[in-house]
Amino acid sequence: GAVVSQHPSRVICKSGTSVKIECRSLDFQATTMFWYRQFPKKSLMLMATSNEGSKATYEQGVEKDKFLINHASLTLSTLTVTSAHPEDSSFYICSARIPPAYLAGAPRDTQYFGPGTRLTVL
Amino acid sequence: LAKTTQPISMDSYEGQEVNITCSHNNIATNDYITWYQQFPSQGPRFIIQGYKTKVTNEVASLFIPADRKSSTLSLPRVSLSDTAVYYCLVGDKAAGNKLTFGGGTRVLVKP
Repeated sequence: GAVVSQHPSRVICKSGTSVKIECRSLDFQATTMFWYRQFPKKSLMLMATSNEGSKATYEQGVEKDKFLINHASLTLSTLTVTSAHPEDSSFYICSARIPPAYLAGAPRDTQYFGPGTRLTVL
Repeated sequence: LAKTTQPISMDSYEGQEVNITCSHNNIATNDYITWYQQFPSQGPRFIIQGYKTKVTNEVASLFIPADRKSSTLSLPRVSLSDTAVYYCLVGDKAAGNKLTFGGGTRVLVKP
């Protein structure tokens, strides 16, 4: 089945530094990827939609200058948390939209999720 | 956006069947209903998807009435490892297929 990976799985950084999180589709090309954030015991919140070769679309309330998204290839999207602060500590999860031609009979409008990245800002 | 409503939590015992109902009154004609499972500190995992009537796979069944304003995920004979949060989502075609997660249902399977 479709596999989406994330790296790193866990990162601890000092306040004020920038952290880059990678999201890869391992066995398919993903023109669209999504980035979510999840706080403890809360649901996933969509942050932005990452489109290959174009600018990301951010959800309302998400600072585009703080959460930089780059989708430079069909298998890689990166999220950079710039000047991270303790309140940015969270679980960041990416997903990739499955192309219709990828799997015969594949579910429609389905996203496959990465394993997540736990960010802790000290 | 088609909003979904699910019970916050459910308790069950090993070997029982668990049924989780989700309401989605504003579902659009072309929207599909998808269920995901999430364990702590992991990304959601796809369980099942359907459009109408009944869908069954090796993991679960999904029942969707004719009006499609709700759906029920059925987990047969649950085990302790089925303890997780289950999310019901409706695809938003107008917004580029982005998914909006509701609160999910926290299922606790007891021995």
